[in-house]
Amino acid sequence: GNSVTQMEGPVTLSEEAFLTINCTYTATGYPSLFWYVQYPGEGLQLLLKATKADDKGSNKGFEATYRKETTSFHLEKGSVQVSDSAVYFCALSDRWNQGGKLIFGQGTELSVKP
Amino acid sequence: DTAVSQTPKYLVTQMGNDKSIKCEQNLGHDTMYWYKQDSKKFLKIMFSYNNKELIINETVPNRFSPKSPDKAHLNLHINSLELGDSAVYFCASSRGQMGTEAFFGQGTRLTVV
Repeated sequence: GNSVTQMEGPVTLSEEAFLTINCTYTATGYPSLFWYVQYPGEGLQLLLKATKADDKGSNKGFEATYRKETTSFHLEKGSVQVSDSAVYFCALSDRWNQGGKLIFGQGTELSVKP
Repeated sequence: DTAVSQTPKYLVTQMGNDKSIKCEQNLGHDTMYWYKQDSKKFLKIMFSYNNKELIINETVPNRFSPKSPDKAHLNLHINSLELGDSAVYFCASSRGQMGTEAFFGQGTRLTVV
C-alpha cells in the first residue's frame, strides 16, 4: 500500500543553520505530495505542495522538489529561525484514493535554538 | 473567521462514557475528514465524507460513528469510550480532489480516564 517515511526526530539546530528533513514515499499511482507543519497546540497548516514530478513547492523560505526517480520530497530551508520550531509532516494524496485523503509520515520535530 | 472549527478543544471523560465532537467548516468544501493523532504524533485518517455521504471508513471500530447533517458539518460520536481512544482528533475539509489542500481544525484532545 501507499506509505510515507520521514527521518526521525527530534532535530535540533541553531538559528540560521541549514535544514533538511528527508521524506520518501511509496505509491502505486502518481501522487501529489505535501509538507504540513504543526505548531505546538495547533492544527496542521499546509506549508507547500507539488503535484507532479520535478515540481518544486516553496513557501516561507522552505522548498521541496518532487523527485519521481528517487521517490523523494525532501524539505529544505537555508536559514532556520526559532519560530520554525514545530513538527513537520510529509504527506501524499494518491490519484486512486477517493476524496483526496492524506497519508502522512510519522512527523519530524524540529527545535531551533537561539 | 475560523475556517474549520471543532469543539470542544479538550475533553476528559471516564471509560465507558459516550461523547461527541463537533466540526464545522465555512470554506464551502464538499469533503470533510476525521483524522486521529496518537501520542507519538502519528496521523491516520478515520473517515471521509463527500456531500454528506461516507466515502472512506478506515477500519475504525464501530463504536465510532460519524454523522454529517449537511456538507458544512461532520460530527464524531464515540460510544463506550476506552483508554486507547485517548488521542487528538482533527477535523479537516478540502475540495476533495487529489492535489488540493486540506484545512485542519485546531484539534480535540480526548483523554479517557
